[in-house]
Amino acid sequence: DIQMTQSPSSLSASVGDRVTITCRASQDISNYLAWYQQKPGKVPNLLIYAASTLQSGVPSRFSGSGSGTDFTLTISSLQPEDVATYYCQKYNSAPRTFGQGTKVEIK
Amino acid sequence: EVQLVESGGGLVQPGGSLRLSCAASGFTFSIYNMNWVRQAPGKGLEWVSYISSSGATTYYADSVKGRFTISRDNAKKSLYLQIHSLRADDTAVYFCARDLVVRGMAGFDYWGQGILVTVSS
Repeated sequence: DIQMTQSPSSLSASVGDRVTITCRASQDISNYLAWYQQKPGKVPNLLIYAASTLQSGVPSRFSGSGSGTDFTLTISSLQPEDVATYYCQKYNSAPRTFGQGTKVEIK
Repeated sequence: EVQLVESGGGLVQPGGSLRLSCAASGFTFSIYNMNWVRQAPGKGLEWVSYISSSGATTYYADSVKGRFTISRDNAKKSLYLQIHSLRADDTAVYFCARDLVVRGMAGFDYWGQGILVTVSS
């Protein structure tokens, strides 16, 4: 099975900072990648699909890039409401594995 | 408004069984693929199972294969997860989640609020 590895596991950044989270697939998944945000105590929220397509209603400071095995989620200007854990997920085939998550905090 | 509401969770003894349900409303349930995802306390998300819109195709995570069965009733707009031989490491909040794309896959755009399953003696 294809493994999804996120880095870093956690990060702390200041409001306004540019934040980058990386997700690596153990095999080529083309662009079949989604990103989710899960705030504490809340249900996950789809941010991006097809590696770079912003889901409706998601702020434009979020963006995704990559293809094949290496992907990136970028928050262009970190806001206090972005404190959350972020997950990548492959969906080219089953199992639709999630990454282990990246916890983002405000410094 | 799209809504997914899970039910059927609770405290179960190891080796026991449980049937989770997910009632859908606010969209044409029969044309969307559906999934179950779980999250153990303090842990990350784990995809559990998938069922196609017609119910003809199902997939499972290796960790649940042979013990969990996903099904759906499109007439009742409901998704199910039958769980057998429960183990302590099945303890988690279980979410039902809808695939974004009609009859396709592109991430999960709607999630239920989750239902807690606790396996303990």
